[in-house]
Amino acid sequence: QQKVQQSPESLSVPEGGMASLNCTSSDRNFQYFWWYRQHSGEGPKALMSIFSDGDKKEGRFTAHLNKASLHVSLHIRDSQPSDSALYFCAASELYGSSGNKLIFGIGTLLSVKP
Amino acid sequence: EAAVTQSPRNKVAVTGGKVTLSCNQTNNHNNMYWYRQDTGHGLRLIHYSYGAGSTEKGDIPDGYKASRPSQENFSLILELATPSQTSVYFCASGDATLLFGEGTRLSVL
Repeated sequence: QQKVQQSPESLSVPEGGMASLNCTSSDRNFQYFWWYRQHSGEGPKALMSIFSDGDKKEGRFTAHLNKASLHVSLHIRDSQPSDSALYFCAASELYGSSGNKLIFGIGTLLSVKP
Repeated sequence: EAAVTQSPRNKVAVTGGKVTLSCNQTNNHNNMYWYRQDTGHGLRLIHYSYGAGSTEKGDIPDGYKASRPSQENFSLILELATPSQTSVYFCASGDATLLFGEGTRLSVL
C-alpha cells in the first residue's frame, strides 16, 4: 500500500479557476510534507513545504495540513495554463538530518484549459 | 547556482549488460538520492546516501547498486540490466527540501 496517497489522479480546471489537490498519509511517523511540481520533460521542483497544522500561503498557492488526520491539501487560485503539470505530495519522518527519506505519492496531473 | 547534473540524459542498453548512471551536485548537500519514475507508481526511492562512502537501500533496491565516492558524486549501477528496469531515473540532493536533476531516460532492450 502506498504510504502517501494522492487524489484525484487527474484534474482539469478552466483558466482563472481554483484547483484543489489532496494527499493522505497512512504513516503517523510522517511529520513533514512537501508539494513538488513537474512539467513535462523536466525534473520535479519543490513548490512549497508545510510542517505545522493550518494554512501556509505563497502567492496563488495555499497548502493546508491536518496532522490529526494526516491530510495535506494544495489549492491553486487563479490557475494559469503554465500551472499544467504533475503535482507530487511528499512526506518525511525526519528533517534536515542524515538519513532523511522523502516518500512520494503517485501524483495528480493538472490541466488548466485556456 | 545550486545544481544537480545527471549523465547520460538518454541511454539504450541491452538485456544483461551493465549500466552506470552518474550524478553530480555542487550544493554541498550530505544527502543524495536515486528515484525512478513510472506511470502509476510516482517516484520510488531506490538508494540514498548520507555522505561520501555511505549507501543505504531505499524501497525498491533489488537489481541496483549505488556508489558514493565523494560528497559531489553518486552513481547508480545496474550490473545485469533487465527490460523491467526501463524507466526514467532521477537523482536528487538535499538535507530537507530536495533538488532534482533533469533525469535519465533508460531503455533496456
